[in-house]
Order: sequence, then C-alpha cells, then structure tokens
Amino acid sequence: ELKVEQNPLFLSMQEGKNYTIYCNYSTTSDRLYWYRQDPGKSLESLFVLLSNGAVKQEGRLMASLDTKARLSTLHITAAVHDLSATYFCAVDTRGNNAGNMLTFGGGTRLMVKP
Amino acid sequence: KAGVTQTPRYLIKTRGQQVTLSCSPISGHRSVSWYQQTPGQGLQFLFEYFSETQRNKGNFPGRFSGRQFSNSRSEMNVSTLELGDSALYLCASSFIGTANYGYTFGSGTRLTVV
Repeated sequence: ELKVEQNPLFLSMQEGKNYTIYCNYSTTSDRLYWYRQDPGKSLESLFVLLSNGAVKQEGRLMASLDTKARLSTLHITAAVHDLSATYFCAVDTRGNNAGNMLTFGGGTRLMVKP
Repeated sequence: KAGVTQTPRYLIKTRGQQVTLSCSPISGHRSVSWYQQTPGQGLQFLFEYFSETQRNKGNFPGRFSGRQFSNSRSEMNVSTLELGDSALYLCASSFIGTANYGYTFGSGTRLTVV
C-alpha cells in the first residue's frame, strides 16, 4: 500500500522567512502534484512534477521532485500572509485496472504571521 | 474554458437516506475521479471512471457507487447514509494522454448526515 507522508503537519512562520515542506512516498512514481486548499474550499493545483529532477517555480513557491529518493519538496521563500493555507502533495499511481489514482499526504497547514 | 462543475454544493441528509452527487468534467476530459475528504481520514480515493467504465475503486464499502455517462459526466451515489459519510466530496477531471497530465478539481459537494 502506498504511503505518502508530509511534514511538518503544521507550520507557523513569520512573514519574510523561508521554509520547506517535505513529501515522502513509499512506491515508485514519476508524477507528483502539489495542491493548495483554503478553508472550506476545493483543491487548487500548484505544480505538476512529471519526471525525476523536475523543478518548478511560481512566485514565492518552488517545488522539486527526486524520484530516486521518493521525495518532493515545496520551498517557500520570503513568506507572506496570503500563503496561509493547507498544502497537499499527491502521488499519481496506476491502479490494478489501468486507471490512475492520487494518494494524498496528510497536508501541511501553513500559517504566516505578520 | 469552464472548469469542473459539481452539484449540489451543499447537502443535508438524514441517516439511512441515499444521495446522488453530480460532476461535469472539463470539456474534452474523459477521466473523472472522486475523492472523499474528512478531518480524520484526509483525502481518500473513491473511484475513477474513463469512457463510462469504472477502472479503479478505493477501499470504500459497496454503499458507495458511481457511474459515468457518454458525455463524461459522472454521478456518485451513497446509499444508507451513515454519520461518518459526512465529508467534502471532490471530483477531478483529467485529459488522459497529454504531456500536461494533471487533475483539475471541482468546488466539491459538502455532505452533512444528521
């Protein structure tokens, strides 16, 4: 059974600081996604990482994927209050009957304080 | 282009009743998958449909079922509702086979069972 572990589960940061969220997973996959969720809302796609060594950046967020280590990171640079949300990583794997499915990490609740 | 549309947005049902949720994917997307989100269990895969066929199902009881129509719209049904079925149900659509493989989530249906 695939396990996806995120850490930390909760992160309280000061504005302007940098931090990294880690996502470890237990089986081979070349596709990993990062999503953002605001309270009471749906999942907003942040990054699609499709191969080993993939690195993507959008604003203050940068995501990377190391498929050999089965590790993805989401790095936050100079955090601002608007980044406060819950962040999920999700590993894409093929099921028994050809279709794909996402297995999500437990989420990292990020609070950025002024 | 239009996103993934889920209806209804909110539902309140009584234990023992049944409920049907609807999901209209992005035009051209043929894969629709469903996820349940609860505070205790997080985000869990329910099932995935492609070309009207269920290809994979998560670890949920038979009370959870679904189907997909020829226009790719999907419905999921939960029979004999239990209090523990209270959750945010998210539908995701994807276009199989492109380099930009990814999942777009709908706004979700929040189901409350009383």
